Amino acid sequence: AQSVTQLGSHVSVSEGALVLLRCNYSSSVPPYLFWYVQYPNQGLQLLLKYTSAATLVKGINGFEAEFKKSETSFHLTKPSAHMSDAAEYFCAVSDHNQGGKLIFGQGTELSVKP
Amino acid sequence: DTGVSQDPRHKITKRGQNVTFRCDPISEHNRLYWYRQTLGQGPEFLTYFQNEAQLEKSRLLSDRFSAERPKGSFSTLEIQRTEQGDSAMYLCAGRSGGVSYNEQFFGPGTRLTVL
Repeated sequence: AQSVTQLGSHVSVSEGALVLLRCNYSSSVPPYLFWYVQYPNQGLQLLLKYTSAATLVKGINGFEAEFKKSETSFHLTKPSAHMSDAAEYFCAVSDHNQGGKLIFGQGTELSVKP
Repeated sequence: DTGVSQDPRHKITKRGQNVTFRCDPISEHNRLYWYRQTLGQGPEFLTYFQNEAQLEKSRLLSDRFSAERPKGSFSTLEIQRTEQGDSAMYLCAGRSGGVSYNEQFFGPGTRLTVL
């Protein structure tokens, strides 16, 4: 069975600082991995996805993530945090043997201090 | 704007009442997924449709839950005899194509509160 673990339910950074949100996955097959962002009382918006092409994936709003098979990780980074980045971030793996449903981690709430 | 709409956005009901939620994806979304998200948790899969066929249901989907997608377009999720534990955000997502790395586009969700 596939699963996702996000380390740290809450991360706080200062504006302009590096953002690092951690995600580790478990999968018996090559995974498809996603990062979504959720603003309060809204649905989820895709930031980026890994589909077995390039291991370094660039997404929207300056975010990127690197797939590391040896570490079973897919951490999300952004060089310089902006106040508007404050939101909940979810890492997910696609269960592509079973209809493509997404299996989500528990989420990491990012706070950005001025 | 993902093009996926959900109605209503908020629903408050009393325990024991029935509720129905609607999801409208865009026409290209041949797959439609329902998820449930409780406070402080990630979304959990409930069920999905390919066109009008319901192909998988999670163990979370008890007998009180039923979902339909009658014409392969909009979908409804009904909860009968609601319980306080049903309080959650219900999200739907649409996806086009047959490959699992295609993006799922999420609607804004319906927040259910059962009193």
